[in-house]
Amino acid sequence: AQTVTQSQPEMSVQEAETVTLSCTYDTSESNYYLFWYKQPPSRQMILVIRQEAYKQQNATENRFSVNFQKAAKSFSLKISDSQLGDTAMYFCAFSKNYQLIWGAGTKLIIKP
Amino acid sequence: DAGITQSPRYKITETGRQVTLMCHQTWSHSYMFWYRQDLGHGLRLIYYSAAADITDKGEVPDGYVVSRSKTENFPLTLESATRSQTSVYFCASSEAAYEQYFGPGTRLTVT
Repeated sequence: AQTVTQSQPEMSVQEAETVTLSCTYDTSESNYYLFWYKQPPSRQMILVIRQEAYKQQNATENRFSVNFQKAAKSFSLKISDSQLGDTAMYFCAFSKNYQLIWGAGTKLIIKP
Repeated sequence: DAGITQSPRYKITETGRQVTLMCHQTWSHSYMFWYRQDLGHGLRLIYYSAAADITDKGEVPDGYVVSRSKTENFPLTLESATRSQTSVYFCASSEAAYEQYFGPGTRLTVT
C-alpha cells in the first residue's frame, strides 16, 4: 500500500524563524508528483508547492522550498522567514493514478 | 468568477433526510473529487470522477451517491443522512495527474 507519513503532529516557532516540516512516503513507482498543501483557519486548502519526481532540482516558491530525497522517499518543506500568516495545518500528498494520498497533517503555529 | 465553488457552505439537517451538496468548476478539468475531513482522519476520498458519466468509489463511499452529467458539475448526495456523516466536505478538481484545486468546503451537521 502506498502511504504518506507526517511524523510531527504539531510544531511551533517564533516569527521570522525557519521551520522544516517532515514527510515520508512509500511507493514502488518511479514517476509521480508530490505536493504540500496549506489549510489555514479559514479551512481553504491551498497548494503551496509541487515537485515532480523525475526532476532532481528541488522546487521553490518564494519563502517555501522542499528537500526532495527520492531514494530516501523523503519530501520535507522548509519555510523561511516565517510569518504569522503561515499558521495553518500543512498536508503532504502523493499523486497516484490521478488521486492524492494524504498525510495526516502537521499543525504549524507561528508565534509573535 | 473562475474557480471551484461549493454550495451550501453550511448545512444542518436531520437524521434520515436526503441532502445534496453541489460542486461547480469553471476550468473544464477532467477530474473531480469529493473528500470528507474529520478530526483525526485528515482527508478521505469519497468518490471521484475522471470525466462526465464516469465515476468511481474512493476510500469511504458508503452512504453517498454521486453523478456527473456535465463536466463542470459533480453533486454529492447523502441518501439518508446519519450522524456519522457530520463532517466538512471538500470538492476538488484537477487535470491529469497534477495538483488538485479545492473548493471552500461545506460544513454539514446531521442532528
